[in-house]
Amino acid sequence: DGGITQSPKYLFRKEGQNVTLSCEQNLNHDAMYWYRQDPGQGLRLIYYSQIVNDFQKGDIAEGYSVSREKKESFPLTVTSAQKNPTAFYLCASTRTRNQPQHFGDGTRLSIL
Amino acid sequence: AQKVTQAQTEISVVEKEDVTLDCVYETRDTTYYLFWYKQPPSGELVFLIRRNSFDEQNEISGRYSWNFQKSTSSFNFTITASQVVDSAVYFCALRGGLYNNAGNMLTFGGGTRLMVKP
Repeated sequence: DGGITQSPKYLFRKEGQNVTLSCEQNLNHDAMYWYRQDPGQGLRLIYYSQIVNDFQKGDIAEGYSVSREKKESFPLTVTSAQKNPTAFYLCASTRTRNQPQHFGDGTRLSIL
Repeated sequence: AQKVTQAQTEISVVEKEDVTLDCVYETRDTTYYLFWYKQPPSGELVFLIRRNSFDEQNEISGRYSWNFQKSTSSFNFTITASQVVDSAVYFCALRGGLYNNAGNMLTFGGGTRLMVKP
């Protein structure tokens, strides 16, 4: 079945550590997105990528980095510069401009 | 600037009651898309509906119906005869800038948590 796979489901970060969240899709979608969700709040866009080797900052990119070396993959690194990383992270993808975004199951990141 | 407001943060109903989730949006764009997503406890967002700004027809899909009113900038979602499985957080989202939002970016509302009790 086609879909978006995020791993791991749960992740713990130590102070000063960088961690990477994986997002893989086999939907042949061109565009991919990373969102952050805090308790009781909506989704905020961190980064997005429309094509391979290209990505753009969203509303809250500080303390995060991404890469898009393959169409299927869009990993997100939460760097030590992100002082409040505890949140639920969702990856999404879409085929064309006006199609709905499809979401993965999310990764919950916590601080040790 | 775009904004989506879901004023109801939490709604609790008893099974079989009808419930309406409100969504009000702001955009300067004349063409845009509106979406509803469901987030069950497992966490993933499930797409429910997309509506473009040219189409003000209401839509019904089983127990779900949507009322789009451009005059009041609202896109409300009604669940008829609610069931326990409807318990989730529901998000309304807006994709504006049909011709200058190449990134297909969405603006989400804060979500409404719906609890359906047996």
